[in-house]
Order: sequence, then structure tokens, then C-alpha cells
Amino acid sequence: EPEVTQTPSHQVTQMGQEVILRCVPISNHLYFYWYRQILGQKVEFLVSFYNNEISEKSEIFDDQFSVERPDGSNFTLKIRSTKLEDSAMYFCASTPGQGAYGYTFGSGTRLTVV
Amino acid sequence: GNSVTQMEGPVTLSEEAFLTINCTYTATGYPSLFWYVQYPGEGLQLLLKATKADDKGSNKGFEATYRKETTSFHLEKGSVQVSDSAVYFCALTKNYGGSQGNLIFGKGTKLSVKP
Repeated sequence: EPEVTQTPSHQVTQMGQEVILRCVPISNHLYFYWYRQILGQKVEFLVSFYNNEISEKSEIFDDQFSVERPDGSNFTLKIRSTKLEDSAMYFCASTPGQGAYGYTFGSGTRLTVV
Repeated sequence: GNSVTQMEGPVTLSEEAFLTINCTYTATGYPSLFWYVQYPGEGLQLLLKATKADDKGSNKGFEATYRKETTSFHLEKGSVQVSDSAVYFCALTKNYGGSQGNLIFGKGTKLSVKP
């Protein structure tokens, strides 16, 4: 069964450093998403991406965050200057297109900011 | 705004017990409803879904029925196993004129099944 692949599985970074989280969505999917889950809390929407541009973003997705699809297969989330409160599990997801297909999630990247 | 409310956990059951995890939602229009499961140390997996009123989603012995009149999507399983121990998330998405909306999750309910 096709999978969404995320790398790395765990990243430790110092406060103030930039990090890039990588995702390879399912190849024929058109919509891409980032969600995050702070330990013990609910899963929160960050951003959705369609047709090479952001289609929707949450209040969490401020100027320190950016997303990119640089080469037609990878989908990246960049955090420009990490803060302690950015420590969370970050999930990438994709869907084929219109309608309620249900999202396919990757297994996540655990980001720890120290 | 749109929201999902799940019963507070943790829920601890013995093997072969009956499971219900309550989920209610608030949304305008006609959302699609989902249950996702997160096994320890893993990501989110779609368990089942329903896209319109009275639809029943089912998978791996789990069922949930989309009840518009009570705005509910309760998860049930007749006989749980130790391997069902996980965190279960109820979620909804709005469909905006054909576009896929983002998922709104409940807080999750941790289920522990004892042998």
C-alpha cells in the first residue's frame, strides 16, 4: 500500500536554529498538509498546500514557518528559528483530491528543541 | 466554529469487553467524519470514515455511524483485544464546494486493553 514517508524520524536542534522536515507524499496525491502534535495534546492543523501554493494555514503557521515542494516529489516544512515550544511530533499527510478520501499520514518526525 | 469533542480517557478494558468511545461534533453544513488510531510510537492511521448522514464506517471490527440528529460519531467494537490498545482520535473535515478541507481533531482517547 502506498505510504507517506517522513524523514528524519527524530531531530534534535538547538533553540534558534533552522530545521527542515521532509516528506514524500503519495505520488498521485494532489493535496499536502502538515500537522503537529505537542506531547499529550491534540493534533493541530498547520498548513495545506495545493497546486504549488498554500491553500490554507492556521494561526500557528506564522512567519517562522514555510513550506515548499521543490522538486515535484518532496514536500518540506521549514522552521526558521526554532523555539522550545516548537518541540512536537510533526505529521505530513496527503490526499488524492476533492472529496472525503481520508488523509494518509506519515509516521511523523519528532522534533526536540533544546 | 467547527469542533470535535471526545470522551475523556484513559479507558481501561479487559480483553473481549465491549468498547464505546463517544464523539460529538459541531459543524455547519455536512462534514465528513473520521476515526484515526495512533499505536504507541507510530503515526496516525485512518481507521474508518463516513461522508454523509446514516453512513456506517467499519474496519477491523470497529464501527461508527454518522448521526446527524445527535451530531455524533461514536466508535464501537464488540470485543476488544490487547492489540487494540492505542489512542483513538475522532476528526471531521468540511468539504468546501469540492475542495478538501483540513482535519479538525478531538483530543484523543487512550484505550488500554488488559489480558
